[in-house]
Amino acid sequence: EPEVTQTPSHQVTQMGQEVILRCVPISNHLYFYWYRQILGQKVEFLVSFYNNEISEKSEIFDDQFSVERPDGSNFTLKIRSTKLEDSAMYFCASSALQGALGERHGYTFGSGTRLTVV
Amino acid sequence: AQKVTQAQTEISVVEKEDVTLDCVYETRDTTYYLFWYKQPPSGELVFLIRRNSFDEQNEISGRYSWNFQKSTSSFNFTITASQVVDSAVYFCALSEDDGDTGNQFYFGTGTSLTVIP
Repeated sequence: EPEVTQTPSHQVTQMGQEVILRCVPISNHLYFYWYRQILGQKVEFLVSFYNNEISEKSEIFDDQFSVERPDGSNFTLKIRSTKLEDSAMYFCASSALQGALGERHGYTFGSGTRLTVV
Repeated sequence: AQKVTQAQTEISVVEKEDVTLDCVYETRDTTYYLFWYKQPPSGELVFLIRRNSFDEQNEISGRYSWNFQKSTSSFNFTITASQVVDSAVYFCALSEDDGDTGNQFYFGTGTSLTVIP
C-alpha cells in the first residue's frame, strides 16, 4: 500500500525559529496538501499545490508559511518565524487525478508531524 | 457556516453496545465525496471509508456500517458490538469537486468515542 511519509514525527523548536516540515507524497500523485490540527480541535486545510504552484490556500496560510517542491519527491512546509500558536499536528496529503470526471482517487494522508513551539 | 457538522462531541458506550456517530454536511456541488477517518491517541488519521455523491448505497464492513442519505445531507457511521479498541476520535469530512484546482477536505469537529470495558 503506497504511503505518504512525513518527517520528523515530532519536532520541538524555539519561538522565532524557522522550521521545515518534510513530506514525501505518493510517487504518481499530482496534488499535494498541508493541513493543521491544533490539539483537541478539527483538522484544518492550509494549502494545496499543483503543477509547481499553490492552487488554493486558507486564511491560516499567511506570509510566515511557504511550501516548496524542491525536487521530484519532497514537498515541504516552511514556517518562517514560529509562534507558540503554531504548535499543532501538521498533516501532509497527496492525491491523484483519475477518470473522465476528474475524480480524486487515492487521497492519502501522512501520519503527521507534531510540532511543539516553546 | 460549517460544511460538516458533527453534533456529538463525546460519546461513551459500554463494550458490545452499538453506537452511531452522526455527520451532517452542506454543499452546493452535485459531485462531492464524503469520508470518515479514525484518529487514535497516537494522532494519525486512519482512513475508514470514501463515498461519492452518486452512490447512496449503504455499506457494511465488518462491524462498521455507513448510512448515506442525500435527502437529509447525512452520512452516519455505526459501530456494532463496540470494542475498547474502537476508542478514538472520529472525523467526518467532505471534499467538493473543484475541477483542476485540487480539492481540500472540510473536516467536522470530530466525535470522541470512549468504549468502556
